[in-house]
Amino acid sequence: AQKVTQAQTEISVVEKEDVTLDCVYETRDTTYYLFWYKQPPSGELVFLIRRNSFDEQNEISGRYSWNFQKSTSSFNFTITASQVVDSAVYFCALSGIYNQGGKLIFGQGTELSVKP
Amino acid sequence: EAQVTQNPRYLITVTGKKLTVTCSQNMNHEYMSWYRQDPGLGLRQIYYSMNVEVTDKGDVPEGYKVSRKEKRNFPLILESPSPNQTSLYFCASSFQGSNQPQHFGDGTRLSIL
Repeated sequence: AQKVTQAQTEISVVEKEDVTLDCVYETRDTTYYLFWYKQPPSGELVFLIRRNSFDEQNEISGRYSWNFQKSTSSFNFTITASQVVDSAVYFCALSGIYNQGGKLIFGQGTELSVKP
Repeated sequence: EAQVTQNPRYLITVTGKKLTVTCSQNMNHEYMSWYRQDPGLGLRQIYYSMNVEVTDKGDVPEGYKVSRKEKRNFPLILESPSPNQTSLYFCASSFQGSNQPQHFGDGTRLSIL
């Protein structure tokens, strides 16, 4: 069975702090894909990143970085120098190569609140 | 502009009154899905379609129907809505392949009284 766990339900930080959102996944597939989505207060879901299971290189995009560790089945997301606009719910998601229709298995989400 | 469009965005209705939430995408995507989002549960797939006239159940299909008569449209039908279907619903589309990022609509908030 596939499962994604985001153990942090809510995180609150002060602007300019660094924050890491944890994501742990379970799958028996050897080929799979991991995603992060952002859901701002307006409610839409915004795609942030995709990682495949064969690429363990960390990725950095501006203030955002992602750490993929297959050995611990984790795909953590770090925001450096957080800003108020980063306040949102963040979802980690998993898709296996055999997932019909590209089905995503979502974690429960982590609500990040960045205070000025 | 590439987008997934859902209508309505908000709806309050009563138990048993049939309703349809429309979804349309303009990206020529093969895959389309419906998800529902509930607090503490993340998003769960209701139904999906891999192409025209090809639909199948996701993880929580009870009480819902879908159809895919055209590639761009994938309506979600609640024949007899019940209060436990009160939720935030998202339509998503993507190109074929489980590695493709899903593009989501803006969501439809349904309240069934």
